[in-house]
Amino acid sequence: QAVLTQPASLSASPGASASLTCTLRSGINVDTYGIYWYQQKPGSPPQYLLTYKSDSDKQQGSGVPSRFSGSKDASANAGILLISGLQSEDEADYYCMIWHSSAVVFGGGTKLTVL
Amino acid sequence: QVQLVQSGTEVKKPGASVKVSCKASGYTFTGYYMHWVRQAPGQGLEWMGWINPKSDATNYAQKFQGRVTMTRDTSIGTAYMELNTLRSDDTAVYYCARGPMIRTPVGWFDPWGQGTLVTVSS
Repeated sequence: QAVLTQPASLSASPGASASLTCTLRSGINVDTYGIYWYQQKPGSPPQYLLTYKSDSDKQQGSGVPSRFSGSKDASANAGILLISGLQSEDEADYYCMIWHSSAVVFGGGTKLTVL
Repeated sequence: QVQLVQSGTEVKKPGASVKVSCKASGYTFTGYYMHWVRQAPGQGLEWMGWINPKSDATNYAQKFQGRVTMTRDTSIGTAYMELNTLRSDDTAVYYCARGPMIRTPVGWFDPWGQGTLVTVSS
């Protein structure tokens, strides 16, 4: 079982909100981890969006709009990237990341389609 | 502005080695970890390891231990990643990415280099 699991794809309409999940493997408690989120558009390197550990411990990337936000669902053992007011430019791949056992782990990524 | 500029496309034969460079500018090179991440065609991101440019310490992902070497030249603010015994499944875009500040145990990657495509083919 992968350390981080993301749905392969998600579709949403312009103006709507999209909730992208990053589920941690059983036995790895989301409460103890900061979840890092990146956006990648075709042909470009990933770009850092934000970090979320708790409401009092979070970081927004430089220039990242406030409609990108992070949260956690402890019952699902998952980190969440919420994108509100979807725009066509938000269509991209999104990756979550954690630091685990002195290593960095990425989720498999979610392809977000805005249509 | 903070920028990472990587070396150009490489084509290698199986069994060969490749060395990718990453020149940093706009910040104190020895003040931040440098990480390497790769992405196979159509696939996700895979972390390879980091180097501490100040101390030269390294930490490699278990998958690449014994096959990867990360180095740096502080005089020119450049980090290097060398991968040996290349196989076809090493075909990927290789990225360098600035990590957290030295003495900060964890943090985000920002910015990323533009990527270097390494193709391994006979």
